[in-house]
Amino acid sequence: DTEVTQTPKHLVMGMTNKKSLKCEQHMGHRAMYWYKQKAKKPPELMFVYSYEKLSINESVPSRFSPECPNSSLLNLHLHALQPEDSALYLCASSQLRGDKNIQYFGAGTRLSVL
Amino acid sequence: GENVEQHPSTLSVQEGDSAVIKCTYSDSASNYFPWYKQELGKGPQLIIDIRSNVGEKKDQRIAVTLNKTAKHFSLHITETQPEDSAVYFCAASNNNDMRFGAGTRLTVKP
Repeated sequence: DTEVTQTPKHLVMGMTNKKSLKCEQHMGHRAMYWYKQKAKKPPELMFVYSYEKLSINESVPSRFSPECPNSSLLNLHLHALQPEDSALYLCASSQLRGDKNIQYFGAGTRLSVL
Repeated sequence: GENVEQHPSTLSVQEGDSAVIKCTYSDSASNYFPWYKQELGKGPQLIIDIRSNVGEKKDQRIAVTLNKTAKHFSLHITETQPEDSAVYFCAASNNNDMRFGAGTRLTVKP
């Protein structure tokens, strides 16, 4: 099983709303990632969690707040977003053994900010 | 940081022909190079990967080559089929920091 599950699949929110994106994996992976993907662009790394600790934060605005409650779950809390934050948000996970960082991606949450 | 360049941005081939996509990277510390296929409405799916201590790897119709000295790697798809149509991304990774190329939209015409 190489499945990473993301919910919801679609989300529409206003600029004053607070919402959360969820990601779950049961592969025993100890690294989890959030990426942002705009249309016709590659995924851009936002955050990396290793052993439930934030290890990489790519200077993402504070209106995006990640949380890793346990080794299987990853959340992205959203508050006061801007229309330019509309994008596909991808979650991925990988093992932390060896030199082969195979990242498995979820299907993404398509976010629209009105 | 790592910078990955990918060419071409679009590629159209006839069914049965071969397709080649090329990438270069800048960080000599990168040691793992995966290729992902992304279909409309889906997340990227790994199709093949190569480590820095290997020069070539093949899996049925798909092959990847790596020239570590020149810092470039390529994806080769032979006997292309319409279902190969998608966006393909190369990536370069050092530990768990992975950077993607800009992507190649491959169209295979029946």
